[in-house]
Amino acid sequence: QSVLTQPPSASETPGQRVTISCSGSVSNIGTNTVTWYKQLTGTAPNLFIYSDDQRPSGVPERFSGSKSGTSASLAISGLQPEDEAFYYCATWDDSLNVPVFGGGTKLTVL
Amino acid sequence: EVQLVQSGTEVKKSGESLKISCQVSGYNFVSYWIGWVRQMPGKGLELMGIVYPGGTVVDPGHPDVRYSPSFQGQVTLSADRSITTAFVQWRSLKASDTAMYYCVRGGPLPIDAFHFWGQGTMVTVSS
Repeated sequence: QSVLTQPPSASETPGQRVTISCSGSVSNIGTNTVTWYKQLTGTAPNLFIYSDDQRPSGVPERFSGSKSGTSASLAISGLQPEDEAFYYCATWDDSLNVPVFGGGTKLTVL
Repeated sequence: EVQLVQSGTEVKKSGESLKISCQVSGYNFVSYWIGWVRQMPGKGLELMGIVYPGGTVVDPGHPDVRYSPSFQGQVTLSADRSITTAFVQWRSLKASDTAMYYCVRGGPLPIDAFHFWGQGTMVTVSS
């Protein structure tokens, strides 16, 4: 059971918008910034969004992160086939004193 | 260029010991946190723990190590400044340790995101 809760799957057709949620608590998301990682099947994950809403160079503007209270979201607009992947949220947990991950969401582009 | 190069695939038997490594380059090893992430077959990412090679204010000579509750007592994380390498060690492997293990580089603070990932080390433990 992960500390952060994500839906196990999400799907949408190309060109549409999809949102992936990440729910936590006061001791983690409520107090600390959220990071999102993307993992393609068979490869190592890579950082996609950090500090709630910051995109590293190379990540398209159609990807955006947001946070409100103890929940965070990753929104992807103009879906493309190459967006199909697993997405994980993560943050620091003040109670556990270590970073924690969400269970991951498998995004399918129909 | 920051690089994290992990040791190769391991095939072991239950009860055996194992130590896998992550050699880093391209930055000041002692100034950034390094984490270890487990991914069991078909499952999600789990943070095992993090280590700060630069040590603490009280004891700069010894790495600062923090474990996730599920991994406390199950593995030992360490770092060797002289060879800029981080390690995960098991005393007695179990079949349930079969997984891909990633080392990751965080920031100067333990709460910082993992901007860099190693290629992963696959560990297979047979019973």
